[in-house]
Amino acid sequence: QVQLVQSGAEVKKPGASVKVSCKASGYTFTSYYMHWVRQAPGQGLEWMGIINPSGGSTSYAQKFQGRVTMTRDTSTSTVYMELSSLRSEDTAVYYCARDGSPGIAVAGTLTSWGQGTLVTVSS
Amino acid sequence: DIQMTQSPSSLSASVGDRVTITCRASQGISNYLAWYQQKPGKVPKLLIYAASTLQSGVPSRFSGSGSGTDFTLTISSLQPEDVATYYCQKYNSAPPFTFGPGTKVDIK
Repeated sequence: QVQLVQSGAEVKKPGASVKVSCKASGYTFTSYYMHWVRQAPGQGLEWMGIINPSGGSTSYAQKFQGRVTMTRDTSTSTVYMELSSLRSEDTAVYYCARDGSPGIAVAGTLTSWGQGTLVTVSS
Repeated sequence: DIQMTQSPSSLSASVGDRVTITCRASQGISNYLAWYQQKPGKVPKLLIYAASTLQSGVPSRFSGSGSGTDFTLTISSLQPEDVATYYCQKYNSAPPFTFGPGTKVDIK
Protein backbone atom coordinates (compact mmCIF):
# COMPACT_ATOMS: atom_id res chain seq x y z
CA GLN A 1 0.00 0.00 0.00
CA VAL A 2 1.09 3.56 -0.63
CA GLN A 3 2.93 5.10 2.31
CA LEU A 4 4.35 8.58 2.65
CA VAL A 5 6.40 9.07 5.81
CA GLN A 6 7.49 12.58 6.65
CA SER A 7 10.27 13.85 8.88
CA GLY A 8 9.62 15.06 12.41
CA ALA A 9 8.57 18.38 13.83
CA GLU A 10 10.92 21.35 13.56
CA VAL A 11 11.34 24.58 15.50
CA LYS A 12 13.12 27.34 13.64
CA LYS A 13 13.98 30.98 14.25
CA PRO A 14 12.78 33.73 11.92
CA GLY A 15 15.05 34.05 8.92
CA ALA A 16 16.19 30.44 9.04
CA SER A 17 15.41 27.65 6.57
CA VAL A 18 13.69 24.31 7.06
CA LYS A 19 13.90 21.15 4.97
CA VAL A 20 11.11 18.59 5.28
CA SER A 21 11.44 15.11 3.84
CA CYS A 22 8.81 12.69 2.56
CA LYS A 23 9.81 9.06 1.97
CA ALA A 24 7.55 7.13 -0.38
CA SER A 25 6.94 3.40 -0.53
CA GLY A 26 4.44 0.94 -1.95
CA TYR A 27 4.51 2.21 -5.54
CA THR A 28 6.90 3.22 -8.31
CA PHE A 29 8.32 6.49 -6.96
CA THR A 30 9.15 8.03 -10.34
CA SER A 31 5.70 7.40 -11.79
CA TYR A 32 3.71 9.92 -9.76
CA TYR A 33 4.11 13.63 -9.19
CA MET A 34 4.28 14.77 -5.56
CA HIS A 35 2.53 17.85 -4.20
CA TRP A 36 3.26 19.90 -1.09
CA VAL A 37 0.40 21.49 0.87
CA ARG A 38 0.52 23.41 4.12
CA GLN A 39 -2.02 24.24 6.81
CA ALA A 40 -1.50 27.00 9.35
CA PRO A 41 -3.04 26.44 12.80
CA GLY A 42 -6.83 26.60 12.55
CA GLN A 43 -6.65 27.55 8.88
CA GLY A 44 -7.35 25.94 5.53
CA LEU A 45 -5.24 24.02 3.05
CA GLU A 46 -2.75 25.92 0.92
CA TRP A 47 -1.19 24.33 -2.16
CA MET A 48 2.53 25.12 -2.36
CA GLY A 49 3.90 23.33 -5.36
CA ILE A 50 4.64 20.11 -7.17
CA ILE A 51 7.64 18.06 -8.22
CA ASN A 52 8.06 15.40 -10.86
CA PRO A 53 10.17 12.73 -9.15
CA SER A 54 11.18 11.35 -12.53
CA GLY A 55 12.93 14.36 -14.02
CA GLY A 56 12.95 16.70 -11.03
CA SER A 57 10.95 19.46 -12.70
CA THR A 58 8.98 21.68 -10.35
CA SER A 59 6.17 24.21 -10.32
CA TYR A 60 5.59 26.49 -7.37
CA ALA A 61 2.69 28.65 -6.25
CA GLN A 62 3.54 32.28 -6.93
CA LYS A 63 3.31 33.07 -3.23
CA PHE A 64 6.32 30.85 -2.52
CA GLN A 65 8.42 31.58 -5.61
CA GLY A 66 11.97 32.41 -4.57
CA ARG A 67 11.58 30.91 -1.09
CA VAL A 68 10.70 27.28 -1.75
CA THR A 69 12.77 24.53 -3.33
CA MET A 70 11.48 21.03 -3.97
CA THR A 71 13.93 18.27 -4.75
CA ARG A 72 14.00 14.50 -4.89
CA ASP A 73 16.37 11.60 -4.36
CA THR A 74 15.37 8.66 -6.51
CA SER A 75 17.84 6.35 -4.77
CA THR A 76 15.86 6.64 -1.54
CA SER A 77 12.40 7.45 -2.99
CA THR A 78 12.35 10.66 -1.01
CA VAL A 79 11.16 14.14 -1.89
CA TYR A 80 12.18 17.25 -0.01
CA MET A 81 10.65 20.67 0.51
CA GLU A 82 12.92 23.47 1.69
CA LEU A 83 11.47 26.81 2.72
CA SER A 84 13.80 29.71 3.41
CA SER A 85 13.59 33.13 5.07
CA LEU A 86 11.09 31.76 7.53
CA ARG A 87 8.69 34.08 9.30
CA SER A 88 6.07 33.47 11.98
CA GLU A 89 3.36 33.18 9.34
CA ASP A 90 5.10 30.04 8.03
CA THR A 91 4.18 28.17 11.21
CA ALA A 92 2.08 25.34 9.83
CA VAL A 93 1.74 21.63 9.23
CA TYR A 94 3.38 20.75 5.93
CA TYR A 95 2.06 17.76 3.97
CA CYS A 96 3.38 15.86 1.01
CA ALA A 97 0.68 14.23 -1.09
CA ARG A 98 0.92 11.95 -4.09
CA ASP A 99 -0.77 12.91 -7.32
CA GLY A 100 -3.70 10.80 -8.45
CA SER A 101 -2.44 9.64 -11.82
CA PRO A 102 0.75 8.00 -13.05
CA GLY A 103 2.60 9.21 -16.08
CA ILE A 104 3.83 12.41 -17.63
CA ALA A 105 0.68 14.44 -17.06
CA VAL A 106 -0.34 15.79 -13.66
CA ALA A 107 -3.81 14.74 -12.51
CA GLY A 108 -3.98 17.39 -9.80
CA THR A 109 -5.91 15.28 -7.32
CA LEU A 110 -4.15 14.32 -4.11
CA THR A 111 -4.91 10.70 -3.33
CA SER A 112 -2.37 9.74 -0.66
CA TRP A 113 -1.03 12.03 2.05
CA GLY A 114 1.87 11.99 4.45
CA GLN A 115 1.21 12.35 8.15
CA GLY A 116 2.26 16.00 8.17
CA THR A 117 5.23 17.83 9.66
CA LEU A 118 4.70 20.69 12.08
CA VAL A 119 7.10 23.55 11.50
CA THR A 120 7.08 26.21 14.19
CA VAL A 121 8.79 29.53 13.55
CA SER A 122 9.46 31.41 16.75
CA SER A 123 12.15 33.62 18.19
CA ASP B 1 -5.11 32.68 -10.99
CA ILE B 2 -8.51 31.11 -10.49
CA GLN B 3 -9.98 31.73 -7.04
CA MET B 4 -12.20 29.26 -5.20
CA THR B 5 -14.94 30.21 -2.75
CA GLN B 6 -17.16 28.02 -0.58
CA SER B 7 -20.42 28.55 1.25
CA PRO B 8 -21.35 28.36 3.96
CA SER B 9 -18.14 28.64 5.98
CA SER B 10 -19.72 26.47 8.65
CA LEU B 11 -22.98 24.67 9.30
CA SER B 12 -24.62 22.67 12.03
CA ALA B 13 -27.14 19.96 11.16
CA SER B 14 -28.88 17.03 12.80
CA VAL B 15 -28.05 13.39 12.24
CA GLY B 16 -29.96 12.23 9.19
CA ASP B 17 -30.23 15.68 7.64
CA ARG B 18 -29.36 16.38 4.03
CA VAL B 19 -26.37 18.73 3.88
CA THR B 20 -25.29 20.77 0.88
CA ILE B 21 -22.03 22.69 0.44
CA THR B 22 -21.37 24.97 -2.49
CA CYS B 23 -18.07 25.73 -4.20
CA ARG B 24 -17.60 28.40 -6.85
CA ALA B 25 -14.66 29.00 -9.19
CA SER B 26 -13.84 32.50 -10.44
CA GLN B 27 -13.50 31.09 -13.97
CA GLY B 28 -14.81 27.98 -15.66
CA ILE B 29 -12.93 24.81 -14.78
CA SER B 30 -15.10 22.27 -16.62
CA ASN B 31 -15.43 19.35 -14.17
CA TYR B 32 -11.89 19.53 -12.77
CA LEU B 33 -13.09 19.83 -9.21
CA ALA B 34 -12.27 17.64 -6.23
CA TRP B 35 -13.65 17.49 -2.70
CA TYR B 36 -11.62 16.57 0.39
CA GLN B 37 -12.71 15.73 3.91
CA GLN B 38 -10.51 16.58 6.88
CA LYS B 39 -11.65 15.23 10.23
CA PRO B 40 -10.40 17.01 13.35
CA GLY B 41 -6.71 16.30 13.90
CA LYS B 42 -6.49 14.08 10.83
CA VAL B 43 -4.98 14.18 7.38
CA PRO B 44 -7.20 15.29 4.47
CA LYS B 45 -8.84 12.56 2.42
CA LEU B 46 -9.99 12.70 -1.19
CA LEU B 47 -13.75 12.14 -1.41
CA ILE B 48 -14.75 13.09 -4.94
CA TYR B 49 -12.95 13.95 -8.16
CA ALA B 50 -14.09 15.04 -11.59
CA ALA B 51 -16.87 16.89 -9.76
CA SER B 52 -19.01 13.80 -9.25
CA THR B 53 -16.89 10.61 -9.17
CA LEU B 54 -16.64 9.01 -5.74
CA GLN B 55 -13.17 7.91 -4.69
CA SER B 56 -12.99 4.21 -3.90
CA GLY B 57 -14.30 3.39 -0.44
CA VAL B 58 -16.25 6.61 0.08
CA PRO B 59 -19.80 6.04 1.35
CA SER B 60 -22.56 6.51 -1.19
CA ARG B 61 -24.26 9.16 0.97
CA PHE B 62 -21.67 11.56 -0.44
CA SER B 63 -22.30 12.95 -3.91
CA GLY B 64 -21.01 15.78 -6.03
CA SER B 65 -22.37 17.72 -8.94
CA GLY B 66 -21.68 20.74 -11.10
CA SER B 67 -19.61 21.95 -13.98
CA GLY B 68 -18.06 25.19 -15.12
CA THR B 69 -18.03 27.52 -12.13
CA ASP B 70 -20.61 26.12 -9.69
CA PHE B 71 -20.30 22.89 -7.77
CA THR B 72 -22.07 21.13 -4.92
CA LEU B 73 -21.14 18.50 -2.36
CA THR B 74 -24.13 16.75 -0.82
CA ILE B 75 -24.31 14.45 2.17
CA SER B 76 -27.68 12.74 1.83
CA SER B 77 -28.00 11.67 5.46
CA LEU B 78 -25.51 13.24 7.85
CA GLN B 79 -23.77 10.81 10.20
CA PRO B 80 -21.75 11.58 13.34
CA GLU B 81 -18.57 10.42 11.60
CA ASP B 82 -19.07 13.09 8.93
CA VAL B 83 -18.07 15.86 11.34
CA ALA B 84 -15.20 17.43 9.44
CA THR B 85 -14.08 20.35 7.34
CA TYR B 86 -14.71 19.94 3.63
CA TYR B 87 -12.52 21.58 1.00
CA CYS B 88 -13.00 21.90 -2.73
CA GLN B 89 -9.98 22.06 -5.02
CA LYS B 90 -9.64 22.99 -8.65
CA TYR B 91 -7.19 21.04 -10.78
CA ASN B 92 -7.81 22.04 -14.37
CA SER B 93 -4.88 22.64 -16.73
CA ALA B 94 -1.75 23.91 -15.05
CA PRO B 95 -0.97 24.72 -11.42
CA PRO B 96 -1.76 26.23 -9.00
CA PHE B 97 -4.19 23.60 -7.74
CA THR B 98 -6.04 25.97 -5.46
CA PHE B 99 -8.19 24.90 -2.53
CA GLY B 100 -11.35 26.59 -1.35
CA PRO B 101 -11.40 28.07 2.18
CA GLY B 102 -13.30 25.13 3.65
CA THR B 103 -16.71 24.42 5.19
CA LYS B 104 -16.87 23.12 8.74
CA VAL B 105 -19.70 20.65 9.39
CA ASP B 106 -20.89 19.95 12.92
CA ILE B 107 -23.73 17.95 14.49
CA LYS B 108 -26.52 20.00 16.06
